[in-house]
Amino acid sequence: EVQLLESGGDLVQPGGSLRLSCAASGFSFRSYAMSWVRQAPGKGLEWVSGINEVGGTYYADSVKGRFIISRDTSLNMLYLQMNSLRAEDTAVYYCAKDYPKVEGSAPLFDYWGQGTPVTVSS
Amino acid sequence: DIVMTQTPLSAPVTLGQPASISCRSSQNLVHHNGNTYLNWLHQRPGQPPRLLIYEISNRFSGVPDRFSGSGAGTEFTLKISRVEAEDVGIYYCMQATQFPRTFGQGTRLEIK
Repeated sequence: EVQLLESGGDLVQPGGSLRLSCAASGFSFRSYAMSWVRQAPGKGLEWVSGINEVGGTYYADSVKGRFIISRDTSLNMLYLQMNSLRAEDTAVYYCAKDYPKVEGSAPLFDYWGQGTPVTVSS
Repeated sequence: DIVMTQTPLSAPVTLGQPASISCRSSQNLVHHNGNTYLNWLHQRPGQPPRLLIYEISNRFSGVPDRFSGSGAGTEFTLKISRVEAEDVGIYYCMQATQFPRTFGQGTRLEIK
């Protein structure tokens, strides 16, 4: 059974930092790109960042230069280091399976975690 | 960035009646590998999104066959043949053809 379990969400002051983690199990983590998607209170879904199976990274303009995505394939972990946090970063952050290394072998975004809440406020 | 535009944003439906949601992309979503990575997701309050349809028209595992997807290029549609109470929530289209991934604004399905 595929499982994605996020952790690390917290209340943090503007300008502060936070590191989110996503523990993956039930699939070949090293063979998939992964993404972080967030949802501000009462709002829609916003893709934040992605990382492919060889460590190539992608970011939304809204977080570029402030957030860093990384992965540890030996631990099946995905991370999001969030720096210089702003009030507008307040959201539930989800990790999700993105594309497989072998194209066409699996649907994209077929599994999502339950999310971890981040609140940026003084 | 590819902009995804959904209509309507709110869809009041009678139980047992059909529902339809449209999604338009600002660019053609055909990937260089020939696939079109257009997904439909469903989200209930307090829950994470759940994949319903992938690559335009493929139902994900466990999704009832009353859900169907269609379209090509830049125009896509999600249809529910007979709405059930459990179908309420917000429906999102999303493209995963290129980075950044982008989502539609969401369509709220509610029972009349």
